[in-house]
Amino acid sequence: GEDVEQSLFLSVREGDSSVINCTYTDSSSTYLYWYKQEPGAGLQLLTYIFSNMDMKQDQRLTVLLNKKDKHLSLRIADTQTGDSAIYFCAEEPDSSASKIIFGSGTRLSIRP
Amino acid sequence: NAGVTQTPKFQVLKTGQSMTLQCAQDMNHEYMSWYRQDPGMGLRLIHYSVGAGITDQGEVPNGYNVSRSTTEDFPLRLLSAAPSQTSVYFCASSYDHGSGANVLTFGAGSRLTVL
Repeated sequence: GEDVEQSLFLSVREGDSSVINCTYTDSSSTYLYWYKQEPGAGLQLLTYIFSNMDMKQDQRLTVLLNKKDKHLSLRIADTQTGDSAIYFCAEEPDSSASKIIFGSGTRLSIRP
Repeated sequence: NAGVTQTPKFQVLKTGQSMTLQCAQDMNHEYMSWYRQDPGMGLRLIHYSVGAGITDQGEVPNGYNVSRSTTEDFPLRLLSAAPSQTSVYFCASSYDHGSGANVLTFGAGSRLTVL
């Protein structure tokens, strides 16, 4: 079946790098996504990666994809207080079915 | 553009009552979906639609009905509310599906409490 797993909490010091990990089950997923949810708001897309890529970099964000292990990670360089949020990993198991399955979300908190 | 608009933002129901959560988008998106968000469980897909007149079930469809009579609107109906349906509900839409990334635009959420 389709399942996406993430750890629930991560705490990092301001200025350090944050690495949020995700595992997924469906090897046919064509796209994998990272969304960010700030308090009291809906989710917003941070970035996504196509399944034939290993890495994607966008300013402070780096996404790494290991298809063999079905493992996705999001690295945030130079973490700032504004990065405090819940981060969701999501997979699209079958692009023709248009279903997107989300993980439980990782709450990132920043220590001064 | 307003994007994805959900109403109401907050609602309290008694067990057994019915209600409809409204969702409207003005981006001419073909794909629309409803999720519920519960602590520690992330977002779970309730129902989705790939176009007007077409709906399909997600992971947790029981207790909910949807219809898609127009491209713009995708209401979610609770026929007989239960305390287990206490949650925050998100509507989301996207333009691309079937090819390319399916980038979702989310509404601000509707917080429902069933007593």
